[in-house]
This record gives sequence, C-alpha cells and structure tokens, in this order.
Amino acid sequence: EVQLVESGGGLVKPGGSLRLSCAASGFTFSSYSMNWVRQAPGKGLEWVSSINSRSSYIYYADSVKGRFTISRDNAKNSLYLQMNSLRAEDTAVYYCVKVLDSSAYYYYFDFWGQGTLVTVSS
Amino acid sequence: EIVMTQSPATLSVSPGERATVSCRASQSVSSNLAWYQQKPGQAPRLLIYGASTRATGIPARFSGGGSGTEFTLTISSLQSEDFAVYYCQQYNNWPITFGQGTRLEIK
Repeated sequence: EVQLVESGGGLVKPGGSLRLSCAASGFTFSSYSMNWVRQAPGKGLEWVSSINSRSSYIYYADSVKGRFTISRDNAKNSLYLQMNSLRAEDTAVYYCVKVLDSSAYYYYFDFWGQGTLVTVSS
Repeated sequence: EIVMTQSPATLSVSPGERATVSCRASQSVSSNLAWYQQKPGQAPRLLIYGASTRATGIPARFSGGGSGTEFTLTISSLQSEDFAVYYCQQYNNWPITFGQGTRLEIK
C-alpha cells in the first residue's frame, strides 16, 4: 500500500524558514517523480514544485521560485521542501504527491499524503 | 501560464441525476488533463487522466471528455458520496495549473 507521510509543518514568523519532509513507502520511490502541492485554507489547489526521479529536472511555481528548494533522498525514500523567506501567503496545507506515470513525462497525481499545515504569522 | 477556468463554481444536483462540470484552458493542452475529487478534510483523489481515462478503482459513472481547450467531467447518476469539490489540472505545460474548483452540492 502506497503511503506518503508529511511532517515538519507548524507556525513560523514571516521571513522564517521551515523544512518539510515526506516519508514514502509501498512503491519504488526512486522510480517516480515527486511533487509538492499546497492548499490555502478554504481555497483551491496550487502546484508548488516537482522533481524527477534522479533530481535532474526540477520545477517551481513562480510564487516560490528563489525561496523554496525541493530535494529527495532515494536511499531514504524521502522528499523534502526547504522553505525560506516565508510569507503570510504561504500559509497552506502542503501535500506530498506522487505521479502515476513513471516515465517522468506526464505529471498527474495518483497518491497524495494527508498534508502538513504551515502557518506563517507574527 | 495556462489558466484553467471551471464552470460552474457551484452545481446543485439531486441524487440520481446527471452532473456535468466544465473546464476550459486558455490555450491547448492536448489531452493532458486530469480531474480530481476532494471531500472535506481529505486529500484530493485522482478520477480521470488523459482527459478520458478513469483511474484505478473509479466507478464507471465518472467519465471525462474533450481535448484541446474544452473538457468535461460527467457523473451519470449521482450518489451521496459524490458530493464534493472537483478540480481539473493541466499537465501539458509548465507550470502545472489547476482550475479553481467546482463544488457539487445536494439539491
């Protein structure tokens, strides 16, 4: 059974940093691109970042580019999101998300973690 | 950036009836479109990818159609568990973008 378990969320002041982690199990983690998608309270879904299986292709939404860094450790079956210079508008539930297609060409999402809440407030 | 626009924002339908949600892309996304269902307090669930292919375990009452810029998600006979928020997502171009969501509520 595929499991994605996020951790690392919490309350942080504007300008602060957080590092999110996602522990993956139940599939061959090293074969799949992984992603972060966020959802502000009461709002819709917003794609944040994607990384392919070998970390050779990385993509960011403009809203986080230069502030967030996605990474992975295939030996530890883990995905990370380093978030710096946090703003109030970064407040959201952050989901760790797996792509269905292992070709790394099509980024649609078949498994989602339960999410971790990040709150940016003074 | 490709803008995905869903309509309507809210759809009120009676159980057993048919519901159709529309999604329009600001430029062609070919058939690289997915649909998700999200219930309160839960993560989204993949329903449809490739515009019309049902994901594993998704009931046949869910169907997707369209290509290019116009897409639809149809639920043929609404069950109580289908009342939720639905999102479309394009994955043809970076950045990946989602529609704003359509809330399907009981009439």
